[in-house]
Amino acid sequence: DIQMTQSPSTLSASVGDRVTITCRASESINSWLAWYQQKPGKAPKLLIYKASSLESGVPSRFSGSGSGTEFTLTISSLQPDDLAIYYCQQYHGYWWTFGQGTKVEIE
Amino acid sequence: QVQLQESGPGLVKPSETLSLTCTVSGASISATNYYWGWIRQPPGKGLECIGTLSYSGSTSYNPSLKSRVTISADTSKNQYSLNLRSVTAADTAIYYCARHYYGLGLGYWGQGALVTVSS
Repeated sequence: DIQMTQSPSTLSASVGDRVTITCRASESINSWLAWYQQKPGKAPKLLIYKASSLESGVPSRFSGSGSGTEFTLTISSLQPDDLAIYYCQQYHGYWWTFGQGTKVEIE
Repeated sequence: QVQLQESGPGLVKPSETLSLTCTVSGASISATNYYWGWIRQPPGKGLECIGTLSYSGSTSYNPSLKSRVTISADTSKNQYSLNLRSVTAADTAIYYCARHYYGLGLGYWGQGALVTVSS
């Protein structure tokens, strides 16, 4: 099984800050990684696929990077609307695994 | 516009079988390179993939649930289903169906169905 580990589990930042979330895979997944944003009471929303490709309609302040086992999601300038939990997900295998989530709080 | 909608009982008794159906509109579940998944989220916790169904009808299951899970398709109704047997309170969760287009992530999700396991 491919395990995904996110850090930190919670982060608190101010509006306008640059925020980075890290995701590590237990083995190489090439670039088969996605990032999702989940707001309370809602289904997750796809932000980034193939590690660094921005989903249509997603603000450009979101970006992804990495390959192999190390990946990052960056929010270049945190906005109040970005209050959410963020999950990474690998889809290298025939079934998918998610990181445990990172809760982003606004200071 | 692609839409997915989960349906099924919201309450299931312990030891019984949880059954949910995902009805898909705006896309064919048989279309090449589409993969269809069931994902669940216990209250206040993270996301867990239960299993996946490919456009060709092949399935893959989370090893931790494999002995209790069956995912199947009804192409005539453009639906796919989840059966989870011998449920316990630990299976209480919001159950989502979602679509993955090869290499492009889970771009479409259902709204989620809360299933509570309780007597």
